[in-house]
Amino acid sequence: NAGVMQNPRHLVRRRGQEARLRCSPMKGHSHVYWYRQLPEEGLKFMVYLQKENIIDESGMPKERFSAEFPKEGPSILRIQQVVRGDSAAYFCASSPDGGANVLTFGAGSRLTVL
Amino acid sequence: AQSVAQPEDQVNVAEGNPLTVKCTYSVSGNPYLFWYVQYPNRGLQFLLKYITGDNLVKGSYGFEAEFNKSQTSFHLKKPSALVSDSALYFCAVREDDYKLSFGAGTTVTVRA
Repeated sequence: NAGVMQNPRHLVRRRGQEARLRCSPMKGHSHVYWYRQLPEEGLKFMVYLQKENIIDESGMPKERFSAEFPKEGPSILRIQQVVRGDSAAYFCASSPDGGANVLTFGAGSRLTVL
Repeated sequence: AQSVAQPEDQVNVAEGNPLTVKCTYSVSGNPYLFWYVQYPNRGLQFLLKYITGDNLVKGSYGFEAEFNKSQTSFHLKKPSALVSDSALYFCAVREDDYKLSFGAGTTVTVRA
């Protein structure tokens, strides 16, 4: 069981570019969550998705950020026109059902915006 | 809103000594509390959780945590620390059915 796979592990972008982060959940898990960890802070919830559905995106910035979890393939977190404040570690987690009690986290994708 | 606080940024202990990582919570209703550990370049790993029942919860790698309602605390403990326990530890509380709210983390360094 490969666990939750995230890629890329490290991504460097210049201001104004786009960043795409991918997350493949654990086998058998159909619920995906994205969290962001800013320097010196704990993880903050961003979005919760099931296959082809966004269930809760209350933690996502209203502009430039979007997420999807298509029927086939990984979940994608997309950040358009990145700014320096987007530099952070982005963690994906998955669960077999919609419960926070059994989250499995990936190793994270660290985004650096120059 | 549900939240947790980790009052110590860093904890340093000698190998073989007891290890305590502190966490306090602020919730309405009954709290669901968690501890996760993050090793360098790895994802967060679940250590243990408190949902209901015994106040002393046993978890992975010899860790345990004590839920104290009167002090609103959920401190993580290990009787005898190992150098391999050096990592970043996060306390978390369940906000709703699927969201966790994390503390800022405590870096534990165990010296040989």
